[in-house]
Amino acid sequence: DAKTTQPTSMDCAEGRAANLPCNHSTISGNEYVYWYRQIHSQGPQYIIHGLKNNETNEMASLIITEDRKSSTLILPHATLRDTAVYYCIVRVPNYGGSQGNLIFGKGTKLSVKP
Amino acid sequence: DSGVTQTPKHLITATGQRVTLRCSPRSGDLSVYWYQQSLDQGLQFLIQYYNGEERAKGNILERFSAQQFPDLHSELNLSSLELGDSALYFCASSLGPEKRSEQFFGPGTRLTVL
Repeated sequence: DAKTTQPTSMDCAEGRAANLPCNHSTISGNEYVYWYRQIHSQGPQYIIHGLKNNETNEMASLIITEDRKSSTLILPHATLRDTAVYYCIVRVPNYGGSQGNLIFGKGTKLSVKP
Repeated sequence: DSGVTQTPKHLITATGQRVTLRCSPRSGDLSVYWYQQSLDQGLQFLIQYYNGEERAKGNILERFSAQQFPDLHSELNLSSLELGDSALYFCASSLGPEKRSEQFFGPGTRLTVL
């Protein structure tokens, strides 16, 4: 899996959009960008993933640059409950039961403040 | 609620002892992963099973072993426990009938070795 670089921490005001960047300059053509988050000692939670097109779901939006060397996770209206560590992971999706473990870095600690 | 269950939630034991952690994957998911999260090491992949067979090994100690049963639940056995084995242990599952590649994590088992 390619390595990613994320800021150690970020703050965001409640109700504002939280934009979390991730650099993955060595990403391969068949690797996707996945985002997970972990709210204090709970199990990590899947957020979103994408290959090259922008993606949106009920939780967040994922913007991937055209050269795929970086991406941004957007939480459109951050709430206090979004305070968590956010992990950006690049990997080949595991569809066939082969090795598909996630490699977690240190992530970004997002603090949403009232 | 991810649909993945883990028992027990907390476990306190002494050095040298042996414990078993249990994981029930989401209904229909064939793959089970075990991760360890300690304060100094972050989230580390231990081992993966797919439909009863071991598929990948990560940083799993020889004192640790796992298996996946015909009903797809999995157990992680930790023996000759040391103080440094104190950590959160997470189970994740994926690859159900809909073949989604993202992993769904359980709430974890917090192991304390005294």
